Amino acid sequence: EAGVVQSPRYKIIEKKQPVAFWCNPISGHNTLYWYLQNLGQGPELLIRYENEEAVDDSQLPKDRFSAERLKGVDSTLKIQPAELGDSAVYLCASSFGFDTQYFGPGTRLTVL
Amino acid sequence: TQLLEQSPQFLSIQEGENLTVYCNSSSVFSSLQWYRQEPGEGPVLLVTVVTGGEVKKLKRLTFQFGDARKDSSLHITAAQTGDTGLYLCAGEGRDDKIIFGKGTRLHILP
Repeated sequence: EAGVVQSPRYKIIEKKQPVAFWCNPISGHNTLYWYLQNLGQGPELLIRYENEEAVDDSQLPKDRFSAERLKGVDSTLKIQPAELGDSAVYLCASSFGFDTQYFGPGTRLTVL
Repeated sequence: TQLLEQSPQFLSIQEGENLTVYCNSSSVFSSLQWYRQEPGEGPVLLVTVVTGGEVKKLKRLTFQFGDARKDSSLHITAAQTGDTGLYLCAGEGRDDKIIFGKGTRLHILP
């Protein structure tokens, strides 16, 4: 069974540019999470979806970050415009309800 | 705000030694999870503990949940180089929110 797929794996952009990350969860998993992980830190939840509904986006900086999960499967996380402090690893995870979360390998973003 | 503090932040020991890492909070969690993360990969779940005082064993790893469900420990017996990684604890707190600690970076020397 395929795990959580994320792309791209690495992205380097200049500040003020837009960037988007894509996540394909494990088939059948209705819950999808986006996390941000800074170097040497634990993951921090940005947004949690149950199917296509964002049920917890309290930690998402809405002035520059947006996310969507239109058909309740794939999801996209966007940053516009990116800032130097956005450099981090962006992790996607999925689960069936509140069961075990399975994480993707993450997208490492570097903002120059 | 519910927080999980992990200690130590870094630990480097020789292969074959035993070690314990800790995850502490002033808040009660309904369950607590331990993950291991290797460079360039996402965290992988090792265990979930849900009952105060619970002890779970996974080969050479022993996980304990505190009686008050505010803290947990991970003990590794006879550490191997393959145990090297970032060990994260995560608690399920209020509103089913999962909160991660900052992790313990473990390095096992051959």
